[in-house]
Amino acid sequence: EAQVTQNPRYLITVTGKKLTVTCSQNMNHEYMSWYRQDPGLGLRQIYYSMNVEVTDKGDVPEGYKVSRKEKRNFPLILESPSPNQTSLYFCASSIGGPAYEQYFGPGTRLTVT
Amino acid sequence: TQLLEQSPQFLSIQEGENLTVYCNSSSVFSSLQWYRQEPGEGPVLLVTVVTGGEVKKLKRLTFQFGDARKDSSLHITAAQPGDTGLYLCAGPAGGTSYGKLTFGQGTILTVHP
Repeated sequence: EAQVTQNPRYLITVTGKKLTVTCSQNMNHEYMSWYRQDPGLGLRQIYYSMNVEVTDKGDVPEGYKVSRKEKRNFPLILESPSPNQTSLYFCASSIGGPAYEQYFGPGTRLTVT
Repeated sequence: TQLLEQSPQFLSIQEGENLTVYCNSSSVFSSLQWYRQEPGEGPVLLVTVVTGGEVKKLKRLTFQFGDARKDSSLHITAAQPGDTGLYLCAGPAGGTSYGKLTFGQGTILTVHP
């Protein structure tokens, strides 16, 4: 089944404790991206990757890192999480870029205390 | 940064009523996408509009792309409780920001039986 998977689905952590949210797709998509979703703000893009080893900042990249060493994986790293990073996070992928249909993962709900 | 403004933010209607959701920008977009998101899940693409003035129909849903490609609308005829969800418009940035995807704030639609 074609899908985007994220892990973990739920995470409660403390300020400053490094964490990684994994994202994997099995559709051989070139484009992958991360979003955060907060009430009233829609989805805001954190980082995107056009292909392996090619990543760039979205609209809200502060406090986040990403890497794209393999085509299928695009982990999101929070090196020193803060409470303002409490949010619902989505990973997405598409065959060619932002103008193509985005396939979203199920989301990761992160709480930083 | 290209912005997309959606209105209304909330819509609560009775089954059988018609409704329209708007997605407006001061910037020109090469295309616009409409997604629907249900609680606990990631957004799912409904349609992509590409040509200025284009109208696309998906059963009871009608999507329109403005002639100047700065705005779009989603019209639902005879809404049903199954239409309940969060509706999001999204557009790819162009130029030096190629790779970015901007979302509107979303419209939360509730259809009461």
